[in-house]
Amino acid sequence: DGGITQSPKYLFRKEGQNVTLSCEQNLNHDAMYWYRQDPGQGLRLIYYSQIVNDFQKGDIAEGYSVSREKKESFPLTVTSAQKNPTAFYLCASSIRDRGETQYFGPGTRLLVL
Amino acid sequence: GNSVTQMEGPVTLSEEAFLTINCTYTATGYPSLFWYVQYPGEGLQLLLKATKADDKGSNKGFEATYRKETTSFHLEKGSVQVSDSAVYFCALSVGGATNKLIFGTGTLLAVQP
Repeated sequence: DGGITQSPKYLFRKEGQNVTLSCEQNLNHDAMYWYRQDPGQGLRLIYYSQIVNDFQKGDIAEGYSVSREKKESFPLTVTSAQKNPTAFYLCASSIRDRGETQYFGPGTRLLVL
Repeated sequence: GNSVTQMEGPVTLSEEAFLTINCTYTATGYPSLFWYVQYPGEGLQLLLKATKADDKGSNKGFEATYRKETTSFHLEKGSVQVSDSAVYFCALSVGGATNKLIFGTGTLLAVQP
């Protein structure tokens, strides 16, 4: 079955620690995205990538980093510089063209200890 | 700038009631419009979309019509079920070379038996 997987489902971060969230897709999509979801708010774009080895900052990139070494994978690192990391993180992918549907993974919930 | 405004929730309805969730947008150019649904603890699923003015998207009994004159994309369903209880997000895809989505804040729908 084609789709997007995210792991882990829950992640705990200690103060000053970097953590990495995994996102893998087998839909053969060029574009991938990371969103952050907070209670009562819509999704906000953190980073996106339209092609391997290239990515751009979204609206709230500070304190996060990404890489895109393979078409299938787009991991997100939440660094210690992100002072309020507790949120639900969603990864998505799509065909690159405007107006195409984005397909979402099941999400990772990050909690700070 | 580009933005999406949704009616605030929660919306509480009895089973078989008529549903309307309002969505208006501000955008330059000709955006594509989407409705996504999120069930508790899960990622987002595309519910329906419309890519040009006067298009009607429909799926699972839900409908929305792209109204350029009123910059609206209201979601409707004639008879809701308990299983429709979820958070509904309106979104637009902006112009240019990317497929970035801008989301509304989401509307929680609770359907009571």
